[in-house]
Amino acid sequence: DAGVTQSPTHLIKTRGQQVTLRCSPKSGHDTVSWYQQALGQGPQFIFQYYEEEERQRGNFPDRFSGHQFPNYSSELNVNALLLGDSALYLCASRVVVGQETQYFGPGTRLLVL
Amino acid sequence: GENVEQHPSTLSVQEGDSAVIKCTYSDSASNYFPWYKQELGKGPQLIIDIRSNVGEKKDQRIAVTLNKTAKHFSLHITETQPEDSAVYFCAASINTGTASKLTFGTGTRLQVTL
Repeated sequence: DAGVTQSPTHLIKTRGQQVTLRCSPKSGHDTVSWYQQALGQGPQFIFQYYEEEERQRGNFPDRFSGHQFPNYSSELNVNALLLGDSALYLCASRVVVGQETQYFGPGTRLLVL
Repeated sequence: GENVEQHPSTLSVQEGDSAVIKCTYSDSASNYFPWYKQELGKGPQLIIDIRSNVGEKKDQRIAVTLNKTAKHFSLHITETQPEDSAVYFCAASINTGTASKLTFGTGTRLQVTL
C-alpha cells in the first residue's frame, strides 16, 4: 500500500520565479492538505482540497494556489517566489468521512536564492 | 484562531528513562489531538492521537493524556530507546467532516543518550 508521495524531493529556484509541487495521496484517501515547514518550526497549514475544491485556507497570500485532480492528486503552485518561501513543503492526505488521521509525505525542500 | 504551545523545546534523557512533552491549546472547540515524530530529512509520522471524548490513550510505550478543562495534553514515552531520538510535534484540530486543519506546536527535540 503506497503512502503519500511527493515530487520533486528538492528544488532550487530564484526570486520571482514560479514553482509547482506535486502530491499523490495514500491509496483510498480523497482529501489533501498542504503545509509549509520552515527550518526549526512546526508545519503551517496552507490549504486543504476535497472534491477538487479548496475547503479551508490558512494565512497565506494569494501567491499560493493549488489544484486537486479527479484522481485525488494535488499540486501546489507558488508565484513570485520570495526568499522567505524557502521551506519544506509537506502534503498530507486523509479520508474525509469517519477518519481524522492525516498521513504526511516526505516533503519537497524548496530553496529560493 | 487556534494557538498551540509546546514545552520543552529540547529534552535529553538517558536510555530507559521516561520522557514527557506538554502542549496547551487555545480553542475549546478543538476535538482531535495527534502527535507526530519527525526524523531528519523525513515527513512527520503519526505516533498516537486522541479525541476529545477520551481522557487517555496508550499504545505500548507511548501514552497521551488530555485535560479538556485545562486545555492541555501530554505525550508520555516510557523506557526510552535511542531510536526514540527525533523531533516531536503536538497538534490540535477542529474536525468538521471536510475541514481538518492541523495547528502544530513548535516541536520538542528529544535526545536519548546511552
